[in-house]
Amino acid sequence: EIVLTQSPGTLSLSPGERATLSCRASQSVGSTYLAWYQQKPGQAPRLLIYGTSRRATGIPNRFSGSGSGTDFTLTISRLEPVDFAVYYCQQFNTSPYTFGQGTKLEIK
Amino acid sequence: QVQLQESGPGLVKPSQTLSLTCSVSGASISSDTYYWSWIRQPAGKGLEWIGRVHNSRGTNYNPSLKSRVTISVDTSKNQFSLKLTSVSAADTAIYYCAGVDFDFWGWKMDVWGQGTTVTVSS
Repeated sequence: EIVLTQSPGTLSLSPGERATLSCRASQSVGSTYLAWYQQKPGQAPRLLIYGTSRRATGIPNRFSGSGSGTDFTLTISRLEPVDFAVYYCQQFNTSPYTFGQGTKLEIK
Repeated sequence: QVQLQESGPGLVKPSQTLSLTCSVSGASISSDTYYWSWIRQPAGKGLEWIGRVHNSRGTNYNPSLKSRVTISVDTSKNQFSLKLTSVSAADTAIYYCAGVDFDFWGWKMDVWGQGTTVTVSS
């Protein structure tokens, strides 16, 4: 099983700042097999990024993804109030298609 | 636009079987594109992938649940379902159904149901 470890567990930032979230895999994940989701309280997760760097339909361009192999990053260039949520990475490289434990992005 | 809707009992007794259904609209359950998936999330915790089914390519299950899980498709109703046997309090969670597809750039779980809460308690 591929274990995805996200860091930090909690990130406290202010609107307008840049957020960098990390997802590290226990073994190599192909670039087409890494996705990021945003989840707000009481809601289902929403797809943000797939294929490491491809924004999903309707996702603003302040969200970007990068990385390869075992290290992947989600960057939010300028935080807006609606961006404060929990973020998960997921791999589709090998079944079971595991998720990271999540990074909570909170308002400072 | 593909939409998913979970349904099923919100309360299940310990040792019994949890049964949920996901109704699909906007796409055929027989689509070659989609893998139909179940994910769960205990209150205040992270997401756990349970398994997936494809109409013609079979199923994959999380090994941690494999002995208790069955995911199947009902083409006549355009639905897919989850059965989890011998439940305990540890199975209490929000259960989501989701659709996974892929394109040139990669794989994505891009359609989700709103989730249904299942509590295991006597």
